[in-house]
Amino acid sequence: GQSLEQPSEVTAVEGAIVQINCTYQTSGFYGLSWYQQHDGGAPTFLSYNALDGLEETGRFSSFLSRSDSYGYLLLQELQMKDSASYFCAVKSGGKLIFGQGTELSVKP
Amino acid sequence: NAGVTQTPKFQVLKTGQSMTLQCAQDMNHNSMYWYRQDPGMGLRLIYYSASEGTTDKGEVPNGYNVSRLNKREFSLRLESAAPSQTSVYFCASSEGGGGSNEQFFGPGTRLTVL
Repeated sequence: GQSLEQPSEVTAVEGAIVQINCTYQTSGFYGLSWYQQHDGGAPTFLSYNALDGLEETGRFSSFLSRSDSYGYLLLQELQMKDSASYFCAVKSGGKLIFGQGTELSVKP
Repeated sequence: NAGVTQTPKFQVLKTGQSMTLQCAQDMNHNSMYWYRQDPGMGLRLIYYSASEGTTDKGEVPNGYNVSRLNKREFSLRLESAAPSQTSVYFCASSEGGGGSNEQFFGPGTRLTVL
């Protein structure tokens, strides 16, 4: 079977750094993606890791360790607008398998 | 570019009624997808179409049918709606093939089955 695990909720304060972890178990792995979703709206793509290591895009970074079947999303200099749900997703064949999402609450 | 559009935005059905959710994309993408999202849950793949003329089942295909009408349009049909199909339905598209398979999502259809 295929499964992804991520924390259901994370709370942090404005300006802080937060890390959202994702562990996965899949048959056939091509890469790990992260998506952001505000208030049940359309999910939007944040990042993709096909190889081990850290990818940085502005305030957001994503890490992958294929040997550990583990990845994380790192959000720096948190802003109130970062309050949203964050989903990790495994690329398996021609489709994505999504985790259940982590709801991030940023407090002033 | 409108991106991915979905109609309708909201719908209420009675048990046993049928309906078709429409999805269109103007990005010339090869692949299209239908997901459902239940409260507090991730996105579960219902059906997808890797390219025009092909469709495949996802994780939760029971009770649904799809049609890839052409490269732009991918519709989802509920033949006999059930309360368990109350959900938010998202359509998405991507270039397909290698790379990140970055998916672009529509705004969703909020469906309630009474």
